[in-house]
Amino acid sequence: EIVLTQSPATLSLSPGQRVILSCRASQSVSSYLAWYQQKPGQAPRLLIYDASNRATGIPARFSGSGSGTDFTLTVSSLEPEDFAVYYCQQRRDWPITFGQGTRLEIK
Amino acid sequence: EVQLLESGGDLVQPGRSLILSCAASGFTFNRDAMTWVRQAPGKGLEWVSFISGDGGGKYYADSVKGRFIISRDNSKNTVYLQLNTLRAEDTATYYCAKGRGDTSSYESWGQGTLVTVSS
Repeated sequence: EIVLTQSPATLSLSPGQRVILSCRASQSVSSYLAWYQQKPGQAPRLLIYDASNRATGIPARFSGSGSGTDFTLTVSSLEPEDFAVYYCQQRRDWPITFGQGTRLEIK
Repeated sequence: EVQLLESGGDLVQPGRSLILSCAASGFTFNRDAMTWVRQAPGKGLEWVSFISGDGGGKYYADSVKGRFIISRDNSKNTVYLQLNTLRAEDTATYYCAKGRGDTSSYESWGQGTLVTVSS
């Protein structure tokens, strides 16, 4: 099973700041990596698919990069609504796996 | 607009069974694979099971293999997850999800249905 490790576990930042979240895979997932945002009481929302492609309706301040084993999600300037939990997910191999999540908190 | 509506969650005793349903609309159901993902209270996301559009391809997480059964009825635009021999660690919100195109990047999710396993 491919293990995805996200770092850091928690980040405390202020609106307007830039943030980079990390996701590392235990083996290559090529570019088959997605990022999701989840707010309390809500289902996850797809932000980025195939490492760097924004999903429909996702603001341009969200961007993804990486390939192989190392990936990042960047939010160029945090908006109040961006404070949430973020998960990465690989679809390179079965079973599909998710990272443990990074919680983004308001400082 | 894609809509996914789960139902069937309940409080059940350990060892019992439950069937979850996910009614889909807004897309050509029989062409698209469907997936179940769960989330234990306060925990992260866990992929549970996948079924291909024609129902011929199925995959399961090791944690549920041999206990859960995924199926679909394309005439009813519904996917099911039968949960057998339930354990306390199966307590979670269960989401059905649809991938983007034929991929497993999940662009559509239901609102979830809560399964609580407790005596």
